[in-house]
Amino acid sequence: AQKVTQAQTEISVVEKEDVTLDCVYETRDTTYYLFWYKQPPSGELVFLIRRNSFDEQNEISGRYSWNFQKSTSSFNFTITASQVVDSAVYFCASGTYKYIFGTGTRLKVLA
Amino acid sequence: DAMVIQNPRYQVTQFGKPVTLSCSQTLNHNVMYWYQQKSSQAPKLLFHYYDKDFNNEADTPDNFQSRRPNTSFCFLDIRSPGLGDAAMYLCATSVDRGNGANVLTFGAGSRLTVL
Repeated sequence: AQKVTQAQTEISVVEKEDVTLDCVYETRDTTYYLFWYKQPPSGELVFLIRRNSFDEQNEISGRYSWNFQKSTSSFNFTITASQVVDSAVYFCASGTYKYIFGTGTRLKVLA
Repeated sequence: DAMVIQNPRYQVTQFGKPVTLSCSQTLNHNVMYWYQQKSSQAPKLLFHYYDKDFNNEADTPDNFQSRRPNTSFCFLDIRSPGLGDAAMYLCATSVDRGNGANVLTFGAGSRLTVL
């Protein structure tokens, strides 16, 4: 069975600090996909990134970067120079057209 | 802009009084999903429509039903809401071409309160 674990329930940082959100997944599939979504206070989940199991290349998008390591079954998300607008709940998920979500990490960025 | 619209955003109902939540999309996506998200928890998939085919999750209570009269609309019916059904209900859509993982587009959610 698939499982996604986000051990960090809540993280608080001061603006401009870097922060890493952890995600550990379990799957028996050889082909699988991993995702990160952001849920701001407004409630709407917003897609951030998708990664397939064959592509372990790390990705950087502006202040966001993702580190995918199959050896440790992890797909961690780093925000560099955090901003107050980054405050949200971040969900890691695994699946294809049906997802299993982790329980989310609430990030609070303090001014 | 193409998007997923959920109505109402906030719904208050009484214990046992049926409620219907709606979702519409202008994306022409073939897959539509309903997720239940309770406070500080992960979204939990209730069911999804793949085109016209309804797919229920094994642990979704019978109290929850869904209808998809056309590509654009999907409804969530809760026949007899209990206090435990108070949650945010999220509608999402995706286009599945059978060639990889789908990216879900979510609506803003409908928050249900049961008195």
